[in-house]
Amino acid sequence: GAGVSQSPSNKVTEKGKDVELRCDPISGHTALYWYRQRLGQGLEFLIYFQGNSAPDKSGLPSDRFSAERTGESVSTLTIQRTQQEDSAVYLCASSREGSYGYTFGSGTRLTVV
Amino acid sequence: AQSVSQHNHHVILSEAASLELGCNYSYGGTVNLFWYVQYPGQHLQLLLKYFSGDPLVKGIKGFEAEFIKSKFSFNLRKPSVQWSDTAEYFCAVKGAGSQGNLIFGKGTKLSVKP
Repeated sequence: GAGVSQSPSNKVTEKGKDVELRCDPISGHTALYWYRQRLGQGLEFLIYFQGNSAPDKSGLPSDRFSAERTGESVSTLTIQRTQQEDSAVYLCASSREGSYGYTFGSGTRLTVV
Repeated sequence: AQSVSQHNHHVILSEAASLELGCNYSYGGTVNLFWYVQYPGQHLQLLLKYFSGDPLVKGIKGFEAEFIKSKFSFNLRKPSVQWSDTAEYFCAVKGAGSQGNLIFGKGTKLSVKP
């Protein structure tokens, strides 16, 4: 597609439930990144995929968070047993190999009640 | 540890005023530097970037930034702001030539009064 697509755009979930957030990167972009933006704070790196290499998971805040990517296409970020502090906008970005300019999606606003 | 500091949380200016947003980084090596902008209700967009060469880089919409290596700074400037510049601005750093993620500052919210 023309841009990075994220779904859903908004998600309200009950504490303790699992959620899945989806990211469709730009076709041909080998790198894919997940960030989290909590209210009043900057972008917090979560995880990074580059081609077929092992993902860099160093930013995942707990083992409740996981992400997968199928080849160089769609990625899913899963949060298990959601907590209120997980409420944030989850942003996905992609880039071409060798390029450091990210293209961001519009994000998924997650609210845990 | 690698980090980016943006000194101003919220800046309020009148139209036609000059703008300078501070950004300092901590990184042990050669860096690539970025400014991103997020207009209300929109996604993050690249404003400008520095990789090498002329330390004064020009971006879209009249913005520019100067890389001062000795000060570990990459401040964003605009001579005359407009109401449409109201947005949140994020500075980011990445190790030059490296794979991996951008490290972002906490952002500066700019409000321009008409």
